Amino acid sequence: NAGVTQTPKFRVLKTGQSMTLLCAQDMNHEYMYWYRQDPGMGLRLIHYSVGEGTTAKGEVPDGYNVSRLKKQNFLLGLESAAPSQTSVYFCASSPPYLAAYNEQFFGPGTRLTVL
Amino acid sequence: QQQVKQSPQSLIVQKGGISIINCAYENTAFDYFPWYQQFPGKGPALLIAIRPDVSEKKEGRFTISFNKSAKQFSLHIMDSQPGDSATYFCAASLDNAGNMLTFGGGTRLMVKP
Repeated sequence: NAGVTQTPKFRVLKTGQSMTLLCAQDMNHEYMYWYRQDPGMGLRLIHYSVGEGTTAKGEVPDGYNVSRLKKQNFLLGLESAAPSQTSVYFCASSPPYLAAYNEQFFGPGTRLTVL
Repeated sequence: QQQVKQSPQSLIVQKGGISIINCAYENTAFDYFPWYQQFPGKGPALLIAIRPDVSEKKEGRFTISFNKSAKQFSLHIMDSQPGDSATYFCAASLDNAGNMLTFGGGTRLMVKP
């Protein structure tokens, strides 16, 4: 099993450009998440999905859009990139709440720089 | 508004020492408190977790202490090793909130040989 994979690993954008980050998981998880990680601020939730075809806003959704057309994929889009979106982006997935402990499985991250 | 506050931001410990990282939360409805470990260039991975019905959980050299009345919890790493050098995040969640986690700001731990 590959677990959670993210593409690309690195990307440099100019202000105003758009791009899509792809997250894929092969664990048949229902829930998927997009976070951004900035120094001293931990991980902040951008958007999440509790199942195919459903998405919801997290803590910092502005400037981002998401889609979950297939259960195994969760796409994060930046419509018009801004320097404030320079960050490391992590995707995660988890099964529905069934067990005593809920674990989120993270991908390796995408480092995005917006000039 | 940061609902989970973590301290210190960085920590240097000698090999064999005890590393202690503290977190405080505001929302009394939180009912699941995990710690994640992140090595450079990698995504975070679950290290250990606790629910508020117990005051302590131990797994090997890692222990979570939980104080419900003070709304605080901490991670203790006994006999710290250079391989423990990583960034540690505490988090909290609500069971009925889609497994969403609210993370603390992170602590960068360095264990000196």
